[in-house]
This record gives sequence, structure tokens and C-alpha cells, in this order.
Amino acid sequence: KAGVTQTPRYLIKTRGQQVTLSCSPISGHRSVSWYQQTPGQGLQFLFEYFSETQRNKGNFPGRFSGRQFSNSRSEMNVSTLELGDSALYLCASSLSFRGSRGSYEQYFGPGTRLTVT
Amino acid sequence: LAKTTQPISMDSYEGQEVNITCSHNNIATNDYITWYQQFPSQGPRFIIQGYKTKVTNEVASLFIPADRKSSTLSLPRVSLSDTAVYYCLVETGANNLFFGTGTRLTVIP
Repeated sequence: KAGVTQTPRYLIKTRGQQVTLSCSPISGHRSVSWYQQTPGQGLQFLFEYFSETQRNKGNFPGRFSGRQFSNSRSEMNVSTLELGDSALYLCASSLSFRGSRGSYEQYFGPGTRLTVT
Repeated sequence: LAKTTQPISMDSYEGQEVNITCSHNNIATNDYITWYQQFPSQGPRFIIQGYKTKVTNEVASLFIPADRKSSTLSLPRVSLSDTAVYYCLVETGANNLFFGTGTRLTVIP
């Protein structure tokens, strides 16, 4: 079974631009979560989508948004990019969503490394 | 807030047992703790998860003391391929996820 795929793997954008990242979950997984990883702040949760609905959300500004399609693929968008948005953006898929039952296991993709200049 | 802290780095010889501790506070009895392993240029990989005293799977054990102010990941008989960064994750609610700062484990031949 193919793993979680993320495109593109690397991206360079200029401050003020917007960017869209894509994530394809493992076949059969209906939940996709997004995370930001930086050397300074570490791993931080952005949001989680399940069946095209945002189920959970971390503490990020509204410039960060996402959506999920009927085939469970998800996109994340960051508008008005800032230098501090430079990071590795990870997505993870799972069968269920966080909070739906006691525990669940996520499978992460390799990430998209975004550099904002 | 369940701030989580981990040792920055650890070294171990091959074949030894390694215990990595994650310190946290204010977690409830049913809050989950999860451990991940991350190699360079890869996303984190699930190792183990639990909320009770002890959980064991084929690759690791997770120990949570009664005061629930810490948790310990135990890796038996590490090998060179276990060299990686290990993160703990404390979930105090569906929207409240607190990752540890990560522990860089180096396994020495």
C-alpha cells in the first residue's frame, strides 16, 4: 500500500505571496492532519480534516487554511507569506479523526519544505 | 498547558536498552501520550501510544507513572538504525497537542 505523499517536496516563495501544498493520504484513510515543523518552535498542529470537514484546529492565524476533497486528498494554503512561515509542513493520515475514539495511529508523509525569502 | 520537555540528546551503545523520558504536567487520566521517531528528511513514524501505566508492542514499551507528570519510552537492545530524533506527544484534547522538543539518540557501535 502506498504511503502518504506530499507535493511539492520543496518550494521557494517570496514574502507576501500565497502557497498551496497538497497531501494524498493512504488509500482508505479519511482523516488528514497538517503540522508545521521549525527548528525554533518544533512540531505544531495546524488542523485536521475528516470527510471534507475540519474536525480539529490548532492555534494558528487565519492565514493558514485547508480543505479536503471527496477523495480524501487535502490541500493547505498559506496566504500573505511571512519569513517565519519557512518550515517543513507535514501531513499525516489516519482511518479516524482525533477525538472520535480512544486512540488512533497517524502515518506521516515526507513533508514539503517551504522557504520564504 | 501541558508543556513537554525532553533531554536534547542521548548516546547509547548498540545492544543496550535506552530510556527516554518526557516531562509534562496537567494531563488527565485519559490523556494520550504518543512517541514518534523521525529520521532526516522524513516525517515522524509512530512508535507507541498509551494512557495507562504500561504499554508494550513489538518495538518499544511506554511507562507512565501514577502522578502522570512524565512518561518514558523504552527501546530494548538498540541498533545503529535506531539513531534518530524521538518526540513525545501529549494530547489533552482533540485540539490541544503538545509535542516535546525532541531527543536526538545516537547509537554507537
